This record gives sequence, structure tokens and C-alpha cells, in this order.
Amino acid sequence: DAKTTQPNSMESNEEEPVHLPCNHSTISGTDYIHWYRQLPSQGPEYVIHGLTSNVNNRMASLAIAEDRKSSTLILHRATLRDAAVYYCILRKNNAGNMLTFGGGTRLMVKP
Amino acid sequence: EAGVAQSPRYKIIEKRQSVAFWCNPISGHATLYWYQQILGQGPKLLIQFQNNGVVDDSQLPKDRFSAERLKGVDSTLKIQPAKLEDSAVYLCASSKVAGSSYEQYFGPGTRLTVT
Repeated sequence: DAKTTQPNSMESNEEEPVHLPCNHSTISGTDYIHWYRQLPSQGPEYVIHGLTSNVNNRMASLAIAEDRKSSTLILHRATLRDAAVYYCILRKNNAGNMLTFGGGTRLMVKP
Repeated sequence: EAGVAQSPRYKIIEKRQSVAFWCNPISGHATLYWYQQILGQGPKLLIQFQNNGVVDDSQLPKDRFSAERLKGVDSTLKIQPAKLEDSAVYLCASSKVAGSSYEQYFGPGTRLTVT
């Protein structure tokens, strides 16, 4: 299975943009890129997903490299509530929507 | 809409005892998942149901773990007998349709401590 590599932790200042990187050099053509986040003492929550094109939603933006070997989750204006562990996950299109979580990136937001 | 419900939220048992967790998915969600999350790690999928059938249980330790989803709605996950290494948060998730890009919705989890 294709794997993802993320930094263990990152820091950001409140109200500044945050760019969370993810490397997935062994991604296959049919793998979707999913991002979930997990706030303290809660279950993970969906953030965004994409295949080839950049994606935007109310929570974040997803920038996918042209060769698809890396992607970046962009939080346009970090708030204290965005402090969480962010997981970058590759999902195979034929895998019954199964997700394989890695260790994720712990984002700390400073006031 | 109501989210995924799980109970209990916390459970403390001694090793070799048995324990059961309950999950009620979001109404209309055909697919249900159970994950195990050990402290400091990402969630690991244990079993996936599509309606009341098992889609994948390759990572379920079948000698001690069992799960069922009667009538394709609620689900229970059981551990018998528990070991110290089973201490973890057990997360239930549901999604609308398997094989699509639909997001998974997670419950708050049950934190199990085995002493």
C-alpha cells in the first residue's frame, strides 16, 4: 500500500495561514488523497479530499502537486480551535472506502 | 442530523475480563467501521461492515475480538478475554456508501483501560 510522510508536529500563530505538507511518492493513479483531523478527546473528522485538481471547501484548501507525489493542506487563517492532529491518507478507489491512518501532524496554534 | 453514537465512553476492566462496546451509526449509512487507536498513534481499522455483512476483518484479532451488526444498523464490538495491550480508544465510524469518496463520520470513541 502507498504510504504518506508527514512532519510529526508544526506550530502556527493564530490568524496566520498554515501549510501542512504530505509526501506520497508511491501514490498510484487511482488513489484519492484524504485529509482528516482529530481534535483532543474526539474522533477524527473529515477535512477535504482530492484526486488531481486543487480543492477548496469551507474548512480548508488542498493543493496537489502536478506529479501527485505530494500535497499540502492549507488552513487560510488558523484559530485556536484548529489545534489538532492532521492525517494525510491515501485511499484506493477499490478499497471500499477504507482509510489507513499514519501518525499525522500535530498542529499547535499559538495565540 | 445526529452523529455516530457510542457507549460507554469509558471502561476500566481487569485483564482476562470481557467487555462490549456499542455503536449506533448515522441513520441511512450503510457502511460501519470499528477502529482501534492506541495512545500516540493513528486509528487502525479493525473491521468494516456493509449493511450486516463483513467487508474486511483482516486486522481483527479473531481469537479474542468479535463484532456483529445485526439488521444492518447498530453494531457491537466485544473483547474476550482482554489483555493489557488492548488498552486504547475504540472508534466507530459510518459512511453513506462504500467504494466512493464519501467521508467517514466518527463517533467520540470508547476509552478502554485494561489493568
